[in-house]
Amino acid sequence: DAGVTQSPTHLIKTRGQQVTLRCSPKSGHDTVSWYQQALGQGPQFIFQYYEEEERQRGNFPDRFSGHQFPNYSSELNVNALLLGDSALYLCASSWTGLSNQPQHFGDGTRLSIL
Amino acid sequence: QQQVKQSPQSLIVQKGGISIINCAYENTAFDYFPWYQQFPGKGPALLIAIRPDVSEKKEGRFTISFNKSAKQFSLHIMDSQPGDSATYFCAVVISNFGNEKLTFGTGTRLTIIP
Repeated sequence: DAGVTQSPTHLIKTRGQQVTLRCSPKSGHDTVSWYQQALGQGPQFIFQYYEEEERQRGNFPDRFSGHQFPNYSSELNVNALLLGDSALYLCASSWTGLSNQPQHFGDGTRLSIL
Repeated sequence: QQQVKQSPQSLIVQKGGISIINCAYENTAFDYFPWYQQFPGKGPALLIAIRPDVSEKKEGRFTISFNKSAKQFSLHIMDSQPGDSATYFCAVVISNFGNEKLTFGTGTRLTIIP
C-alpha cells in the first residue's frame, strides 16, 4: 500500500518563474492538504482540497493556487516565484469521514529559488 | 501571531535518559494535540496524539502529558535511544469532521548521544 507520493523531489527555479508540484494521496484518502516548511521551521498550512474544491486556506497570497483531480491527486502551483518561496513543500492526505483522522505526509518537494 | 510555542529549540540527551519537550497554546478552541517526528529528508510522521479530556497518554516509550488549565502539553521519551534522534513538532487542531488543519510548533531538534 503506497503512502503519499510527491514529485519531483527537488526543483530549482529562478525568480519570476512558475512551478507545479504534484501529490498522490494514500490509498483510501480523499482530502489533500499542502504545507510549506522553511528551513528550521515547522510546516505552515497553505490550503486543503476536498471534492476537487479548496476547502480552507492559510495565510498565503494568491500566487499559491491548487487543484484536486477526480482521483484525489492534487497539484500546487506557485506563480511569480520569490526568493522567500524556497522551502520544502509537503503534501498530506487524510480521510474526511471522521474528525482528527491522522494526516499522512509525503517526503516533500525541495524547491530552491535562485 | 504564534498559536503554539514549543521549547526547547534543541535538546541533547544521553542514551537511556528521558527527553522532555514542551508546548504551550493560547486558543482554548484547540481540542486535539498531536506530536510529529521528522527525520532528515523525510516528511513528518504522527507519533502520538491526545485529546483534552485525558491528562496523560502513553504508547510504548512515548508519553503525552496534558495540562488543560495551564494550556500546556509535553512529550516525554523514556529510555531515549540514538534512533530517536530527529526533529519533533507539536501541533494543535480544532476538530471539524475532516475539515482540519495542523498548526505546528517551531520544532525541537533532539540528539541522543551514546
